[in-house]
Amino acid sequence: NAGVMQNPRHLVRRRGQEARLRCSPMKGHSHVYWYRQLPEEGLKFMVYLQKENIIDESGMPKERFSAEFPKEGPSILRIQQVVRGDSAAYFCASSPSPTDEQYFGPGTRLTVT
Amino acid sequence: TQLLEQSPQFLSIQEGENLTVYCNSSSVFSSLQWYRQEPGEGPVLLVTVVTGGEVKKLKRLTFQFGDARKDSSLHITAAQPGDTGLYLCAGGGKLIFGQGTELSVKP
Repeated sequence: NAGVMQNPRHLVRRRGQEARLRCSPMKGHSHVYWYRQLPEEGLKFMVYLQKENIIDESGMPKERFSAEFPKEGPSILRIQQVVRGDSAAYFCASSPSPTDEQYFGPGTRLTVT
Repeated sequence: TQLLEQSPQFLSIQEGENLTVYCNSSSVFSSLQWYRQEPGEGPVLLVTVVTGGEVKKLKRLTFQFGDARKDSSLHITAAQPGDTGLYLCAGGGKLIFGQGTELSVKP
């Protein structure tokens, strides 16, 4: 049973470009969570999605960030007009239900130059 | 706001020593998870503790959940270099993480 998959593993963008991060949850998991790990900071919740629905986006910046989890295909975290402060590791986790344990992917390391 | 505080933040020990990592909160959690993260990788789930006072063992690792479900501890017996990594406690639906304990075990 494949684990949570994220791609790309590393992404370099120049200031002002767009970053698209993809997450395929574990088989049978319909709940997806995105977290961000900034240098010198811990892991912080960003957004929680279920198929086709955003359930909780309280941790996501109001501007430039968006997330989706379509009926078919991976969940996508999109960052428009990236700035240097967006440089971080972005992790996706999935679970079969909101009360079950979350399993993490290997992360996407975004570097903004 | 629920917060989790871990101590110590850094721990450097010799192979064979024992150690304990603490995770404390002023809030009650229905469960707490412990993860281990290696550089360049995502957190890997080690254990979930659910019941107050619960003790779970995973080989040389012993996890305890406080009676009031506000704190947890991780004890490693006879640490090995392979135990090196970042240990994170987490709780809540949208997981709240402690800041982590960076463990280094030297041979």
